[in-house]
Amino acid sequence: GQNIDQPTEMTATEGAIVQINCTYQTSGFNGLFWYQQHAGEAPTFLSYNVLDGLEEKGRFSSFLSRSKGYSYLLLKELQMKDSASYLCAVWDSNYQLIWGAGTKLIIKP
Amino acid sequence: DADVTQTPRNRITKTGKRIMLECSQTKGHDRMYWYRQDPGLGLRLIYYSFDVKDINKGEISDGYSVSRQAQAKFSLSLESAIPNQTALYFCATGSGGRDTGELFFGEGSRLTVL
Repeated sequence: GQNIDQPTEMTATEGAIVQINCTYQTSGFNGLFWYQQHAGEAPTFLSYNVLDGLEEKGRFSSFLSRSKGYSYLLLKELQMKDSASYLCAVWDSNYQLIWGAGTKLIIKP
Repeated sequence: DADVTQTPRNRITKTGKRIMLECSQTKGHDRMYWYRQDPGLGLRLIYYSFDVKDINKGEISDGYSVSRQAQAKFSLSLESAIPNQTALYFCATGSGGRDTGELFFGEGSRLTVL
């Protein structure tokens, strides 16, 4: 079966750095996505990785290792507004999106 | 105005009632999707459509049906609602491009079946 694993919940301090991990086992791979979802709101796109390595976009960076079936989302200089759920999703060989259950990130002052 | 609009945003209904959730988009995308989200389970695909004449079942289509009335409109129906269909429903659109594959989501429709 296809599976994506990410921690259920993480807590971090305002101004700090946090890394949210995602591991996947899917039928093929055509890219990995990270979305942010504030409580009760729609998910919004953060990043897309299809090649190995680190993609940096402001305070957010996303890393991919295809050989390890592993990605992480790195958030720097955390702000209270970063409190949200972070969803990892993988495009499989048929370009179907497989979603993880999401990681709820709690930011404390 | 939002690019992807869902109506209603909230609905409370009773078991056995027929419910329709509507989605319209102004992004000009061919691809439209319906997902449901339950706490701890992530997003699960109900149905998707790649153009007006194309309808495909997702992983949890039982108990649901859809209609793609136009490129911009994709509606989800629950013919006879049951309590375990209580969930947050999202419509999403995508261009289908192989570059980023970004999906654009509506604001969600919270459905409660009593």
